Amino acid sequence: EAQVTQNPRYLITVTGKKLTVTCSQNMNHEYMSWYRQDPGLGLRQIYYSMNVEVTDKGDVPEGYKVSRKEKRNFPLILESPSPNQTSLYFCASSSLRVSKNIQYFGAGTRLSVL
Amino acid sequence: AQTVTQSQPEMSVQEAETVTLSCTYDTSESDYYLFWYKQPPSRQMILVIRQEAYKQQNATENRFSVNFQKAAKSFSLKISDSQLGDAAMYFCAYRSGPAQGGSEKLVFGKGTKLTVNP
Repeated sequence: EAQVTQNPRYLITVTGKKLTVTCSQNMNHEYMSWYRQDPGLGLRQIYYSMNVEVTDKGDVPEGYKVSRKEKRNFPLILESPSPNQTSLYFCASSSLRVSKNIQYFGAGTRLSVL
Repeated sequence: AQTVTQSQPEMSVQEAETVTLSCTYDTSESDYYLFWYKQPPSRQMILVIRQEAYKQQNATENRFSVNFQKAAKSFSLKISDSQLGDAAMYFCAYRSGPAQGGSEKLVFGKGTKLTVNP
């Protein structure tokens, strides 16, 4: 089954404690992306990757890092989380080989930073 | 930069009735795609319908259809015969097409919360 898998689904942490949210897709997609969703703001892109070792900033990259060492994985790293990073996070992937592609979303990760 | 505006934070509809959710967007591009995503309480993002800007014909998917007015930059979603399972947050989204350089980024509106009353 084609899917994007995020872990964990829920996470409560404290300010300053480094954390990683993992994202994995099994569709051999080149493109992967992270979004955050906040009430009244919709979804906003944090970082994206066009392929292995190719990453770039989205609209709200401050406080986040990413890496793309393997095609299937695109982890989101918060090295020193702060309360304003409390949000719902989505990973998404899509193929760059198909012009009429769609983005597949993971189930979301609810993060609370105390 | 492209923007997407959903002017209705909340909407409600009676079961079996029809409801229309509004979306406008701003872009100078000629090649793009527009989407409606549904987010039920499970939080999963579910693609409802997609429209290519070069197509004049409005997209339809069963009870879901769009009214795409390219000149007015309007992309509304019509849900016919509303069902209780349609209750969700609905997001309108924009993506640039291949002719614009292939950016895959989705630009989302702020969402419309739809309530379906029995």
